[in-house]
Amino acid sequence: QSALTQPASVSGSPGQSITISCTGTSSDVGGYNYVSWYQQHPGKAPKLMIYEVSNRPSGVPDRFSGSKSGNTASLTISGLQAEDEADYYCSSYTSSSAVVFGGGTKLTVL
Amino acid sequence: QITLKESGPTLVKPTQTLTLTCTFSGFSLSTSGVGVGWIRQPPGKALEWLALIYWNDDKRYSPSLKSRLTITKDTSKNQVVLTMTNMDPVDTATYYCAHSEIAVAGISFDPWGQGTLVTVSS
Repeated sequence: QSALTQPASVSGSPGQSITISCTGTSSDVGGYNYVSWYQQHPGKAPKLMIYEVSNRPSGVPDRFSGSKSGNTASLTISGLQAEDEADYYCSSYTSSSAVVFGGGTKLTVL
Repeated sequence: QITLKESGPTLVKPTQTLTLTCTFSGFSLSTSGVGVGWIRQPPGKALEWLALIYWNDDKRYSPSLKSRLTITKDTSKNQVVLTMTNMDPVDTATYYCAHSEIAVAGISFDPWGQGTLVTVSS
């Protein structure tokens, strides 16, 4: 099971919007609506930001949104804030009844 | 409030077996749809999913590590145990356990424990 493909890094200025992509196959991202996104600050445990492609857990700002088209899922952060600077990981359920994570994307707020 | 905490050795020798315990509170592993997963992260690297056990004792494993992993639960003690055999220096990582509940958030992990760093070295 190969890791999902994410860009190594993205950046944006405060107030701007950024999008992080997560590309898999029809056996994972494309085949199921079980795509999740996690935020991880340095030295901290990951935090769930999006589940089932586009749902936000309670307490997650609505600046965070998720979507999917074919084998690629996306996380969009609008109105970028300094505290959004972190690593972001996508994950998906797979046809092997397993879970696979992406390689992670480092978000820099300029 | 759901909390989880990982415990186990911080240092293991190559070829040894690692046993990690996840002790949790705020939920029951006998509740339908609830599960506990294990995820690891080598220093400076990405997250890697390892295993997941559900309330009904359904167990899922990473295909690449399946032969080395065993996950079990003790509902009465609110604990989940992960064993990994034949440890190697490349298995050095922070190991996390996390709560999963299908009806609430599908197949995702929320929240996570604080993680425990395991170093494999002779």
